[in-house]
Amino acid sequence: QKEVEQDPGPLSVPEGAIVSLNCTYSNSAFQYFMWYRQYSRKGPELLMYTYSSGNKEDGRFTAQVDKSSKYISLFIRDSQPSDSATYLCAMKRGGNTPLVFGKGTRLSVIA
Amino acid sequence: GAVVSQHPSWVICKSGTSVKIECRSLDFQATTMFWYRQFPKQSLMLMATSNEGSKATYEQGVEKDKFLINHASLTLSTLTVTSAHPEDSSFYICSAPRGGRMNTEAFFGQGTRLTVV
Repeated sequence: QKEVEQDPGPLSVPEGAIVSLNCTYSNSAFQYFMWYRQYSRKGPELLMYTYSSGNKEDGRFTAQVDKSSKYISLFIRDSQPSDSATYLCAMKRGGNTPLVFGKGTRLSVIA
Repeated sequence: GAVVSQHPSWVICKSGTSVKIECRSLDFQATTMFWYRQFPKQSLMLMATSNEGSKATYEQGVEKDKFLINHASLTLSTLTVTSAHPEDSSFYICSAPRGGRMNTEAFFGQGTRLTVV
């Protein structure tokens, strides 16, 4: 079993839809949880990061962490064509430890 | 703006030659930087952890003599792919965690697409 599981998609939605992206993980030592957006041939861009279980909202984005279920989600409201990208979940233990990434979900928002 | 700068963004080289990739933190000091490799439609796989002033730590299966890492200053880490072969063609990305109490923010460079012909 991989440490981080993420459905690679692709996921295609109409403009304005609510998008739900999810990851599960197996390592209970993970403390920090991030979502990155990556456009083709570019480095990942940090969207959200959370530490504790619960919800964190930033504009159209909501990150949700459920440590008891080892499950994290990213919701995108009022999705736009410019949101079309690959979304990577990532997580890490404490300190200067590296991120462990999911495979990424490729999202297309159709106008 | 970018807080981690990676150069070059793309490079084509002949098989057997060496290629150096630079990763700079622009407005903060990074005692640690991470080097990842990403194959098409795959996730980022950690190759090595670069530590300023000491030897890099390599992940299992990554040849340290082939992928030379130097972290000579608090703002610069370099990855040199030595004697490159076509199977080394990939997207290489560096990241640096910027401090703060939780040291959680990891910023990524723009990536370097290496093509070995």
